[in-house]
Amino acid sequence: EAGVAQSPRYKIIEKRQSVAFWCNPISGHATLYWYQQILGQGPKLLIQFQNNGVVDDSQLPKDRFSAERLKGVDSTLKIQPAKLEDSAVYLCASSLGDRITEAFFGQGTRLTVV
Amino acid sequence: AQSVTQLGSHVSVSEGALVLLRCNYSSSVPPYLFWYVQYPNQGLQLLLKYTSAATLVKGINGFEAEFKKSETSFHLTKPSAHMSDAAEYFCAVSTSGNTPLVFGKGTRLSVIA
Repeated sequence: EAGVAQSPRYKIIEKRQSVAFWCNPISGHATLYWYQQILGQGPKLLIQFQNNGVVDDSQLPKDRFSAERLKGVDSTLKIQPAKLEDSAVYLCASSLGDRITEAFFGQGTRLTVV
Repeated sequence: AQSVTQLGSHVSVSEGALVLLRCNYSSSVPPYLFWYVQYPNQGLQLLLKYTSAATLVKGINGFEAEFKKSETSFHLTKPSAHMSDAAEYFCAVSTSGNTPLVFGKGTRLSVIA
């Protein structure tokens, strides 16, 4: 079974530039999460999708971050414009979403804003 | 709201020694609890999970954890550390089948030869 795929693995941008991350969840997983992991901290939820609908985006900085999951499969997370404090690893995870099952994580995208 | 506290940001043990990583949770409803491991430049991999069945949960790579409601704890143990266990370990809590995980800050485990 293929795991959660993310790209790119690494990205370096200057502040005020824009950047986009892509995630392809495990086939059949209805729930998709984007987490932000700042160095030395645990992952923090940014947004949760159930199929193509947003379940929770209360911690997403909506003035600069946006995310979509148009067909209920792949998802993109965008930052525009980026700030220095956005430097982090962005993790995508997916789960079946129908009962208590674990979330499966991708390898993450490490973003460095300079 | 739920939260997780991991005591000790860094734990160092000798190879072959007992591993004990501490996790305390706060939840207003019965929790589901997880331990994940993260190797350098990798995503998170599930070690084990507690979902209200047996309180002693066995996971992969010889790890286990015990859910103690009275202590609101879910500590992770392994009888004998191996060099390959060196990694970052995260405890996480959820409260239902589809609520997102809330993570602790993590504990970095070092294993000394």
